[in-house]
Amino acid sequence: AQKVTQAQTEISVVEKEDVTLDCVYETRDTTYYLFWYKQPPSGELVFLIRRNSFDEQNEISGRYSWNFQKSTSSFNFTITASQVVDSAVYFCALSNAGNNRKLIWGLGTSLAVNP
Amino acid sequence: DAMVIQNPRYQVTQFGKPVTLSCSQTLNHNVMYWYQQKSSQAPKLLFHYYDKDFNNEADTPDNFQSRRPNTSFCFLDIRSPGLGDAAMYLCATSRTGTSGTEQYFGPGTRLTVT
Repeated sequence: AQKVTQAQTEISVVEKEDVTLDCVYETRDTTYYLFWYKQPPSGELVFLIRRNSFDEQNEISGRYSWNFQKSTSSFNFTITASQVVDSAVYFCALSNAGNNRKLIWGLGTSLAVNP
Repeated sequence: DAMVIQNPRYQVTQFGKPVTLSCSQTLNHNVMYWYQQKSSQAPKLLFHYYDKDFNNEADTPDNFQSRRPNTSFCFLDIRSPGLGDAAMYLCATSRTGTSGTEQYFGPGTRLTVT
């Protein structure tokens, strides 16, 4: 079975706090891909990052960083020094090599960054 | 800027009255997707085109149809909208058909059924 779990439904932080969004996935495939998308209140889904199963290097992009750990089947997302503009719903998603381009989505984590 | 465009952004239709949502892209991607997203839920894939090859999801109701007349445009037709079809409809594209390719989304069309 393929599944993505985002256990945190809602998170609320104060501006400049660091926040980590958790993502745990399940798959039996050895080749798979993990994604994070951001959905601000406007509704458009914005692609943030893709990681394939053979690349466990962590990635940093400005205030965003991602920690991929195959041993725990997790692909967590950290925002450093959060800003109000980071307020959005964040989705983690999984794609397997054989599932015909379909994304398996987590339920999303709603992040509110308060001034 | 290359992008995915959806029109209209907001659509109101009456119960049972056919409606068409449109999507266009300037990314020259060969895969186009239609998703339905209801409040506080993840997007749900309805169908997608790989070039002209149509791929329907098993649980997509027959009420939903799609057309892709050329690479740039894709349409979602809802033949007889019900109240349960009120949702955000998202169009997405990807560069290739491989599973590891990220999808790029348009701003969505919010459909209201009265």
